[in-house]
Amino acid sequence: DIQMTQSPSSLSASVGDRVTITCRASQSISGYLNWYQQKPGKAPKLLIYASSGLQNGVPSRFSGGGSGTDFTLTISSLQPEDFATYYCQQTYTTPQTFGQGTKLEI
Amino acid sequence: QLQLEESGPGLVRPSETLSLNCSVSGDSISSNHWTWMRQPPGKGLEWIGHINYRGSTNYNPSLRSRVTISVDTPKNQFSLKLSSVTAADTAVYYCARAISPWLVQDYWGQGALVTVSS
Repeated sequence: DIQMTQSPSSLSASVGDRVTITCRASQSISGYLNWYQQKPGKAPKLLIYASSGLQNGVPSRFSGGGSGTDFTLTISSLQPEDFATYYCQQTYTTPQTFGQGTKLEI
Repeated sequence: QLQLEESGPGLVRPSETLSLNCSVSGDSISSNHWTWMRQPPGKGLEWIGHINYRGSTNYNPSLRSRVTISVDTPKNQFSLKLSSVTAADTAVYYCARAISPWLVQDYWGQGALVTVSS
């Protein structure tokens, strides 16, 4: 299985901050990297697909990048509703695997 | 608007079979891929497997011996069966649509908590 490692595991930030979360794959996954946001008691919500594609309806303050093994999710200016847990996921091969999550706290 | 809804028992006895259905509205089950995921309480996400519009399946090797995903085209729903469950299978189970070519899950159900306990 391809191992996905996110850093940091948790992050404290303030409204208006710019934050970046990184995700590293144990082998090359080309651009098959997606990012989800999950709030307590809710299903994950797709933010970014294929490394940098912005899902319909997702605010433009979210952006993604990278290829191969190293990827980033950046939130340009944190809003109160952005405090949540973020997961990366590879869909390059099965089994699809997720990072362990990054909890973004105020 | 695409909607998915999981249904099934919330409590399953150890060694029995967990069964869940996912009803799909707003899209045909005869297109795309359809996925099951799970998330143990307080933990991360695990891909269980998916089925495509041809009925071809792909399962997580860690669960392959116990899992079956199938499609009921007339009812526009798909289902999950997980046999010989233990407490480690206690989780919120999600169904989701996966779109080609990235097979990324773009729409999810709200999730169904299944507890394995005697």
